[in-house]
Amino acid sequence: DAGVIQSPRHEVTEMGQEVTLRCKPISGHDYLFWYRQTMMRGLELLIYFNNNVPIDDSGMPEDRFSAKMPNASFSTLKIQPSEPRDSAVYFCASSPDPGVWIGDEQFFGPGTRLTVL
Amino acid sequence: DQQVKQNSPSLSVQEGRISILNCDYTNSMFDYFLWYKKYPAEGPTFLISISSIKDKNEDGRFTVFLNKSAKHLSLHIVPSQPGDSAVYFCAPGRDGNNRKLIWGLGTSLAVNP
Repeated sequence: DAGVIQSPRHEVTEMGQEVTLRCKPISGHDYLFWYRQTMMRGLELLIYFNNNVPIDDSGMPEDRFSAKMPNASFSTLKIQPSEPRDSAVYFCASSPDPGVWIGDEQFFGPGTRLTVL
Repeated sequence: DQQVKQNSPSLSVQEGRISILNCDYTNSMFDYFLWYKKYPAEGPTFLISISSIKDKNEDGRFTVFLNKSAKHLSLHIVPSQPGDSAVYFCAPGRDGNNRKLIWGLGTSLAVNP
């Protein structure tokens, strides 16, 4: 299995531009998570989906951020318009249905490093 | 207000010795606790977990201890190896339908040969 795939790996853009980050979860996983990592705040959950349906988006910072999961094998995180404070590493993770043990691990992609100038 | 605190940003240990990484939390409702390891330019990878009904879980060189009354857990690595050099995150969560993990800021471990 290829693992969680994220693209692009690096993105440099100018303030005000639209940014789209992409994620392909591991096949068969029911859950997909979007995280943001910064030095000051560490890893923060932005939103997660179960069977393509958004379950918890309380971590989405503001209306400039939106996430979609049109099918089980693809998700996007969009920032429009982007601002310098959005500069961070964005991770996508997926996991199977946890079954009895809710503490099942999440499998992370390599991340997208976003720089907004 | 941080619910999960890893108060040591960094730790340096000699190869072969024990590494102890600590994590304190404030929410007594957490049901499980996960530890993740992260190398530079990679995503975090799962290391070990523990349920709130246990006080110890062991997997090879890695052991996690949970002290619920003190709201404290620790990860022990024995013996430490240079390949263990990474950032370690403590990430607890709650049972039920919500699969949200709350992440600490991490501890950077350096194991010196």
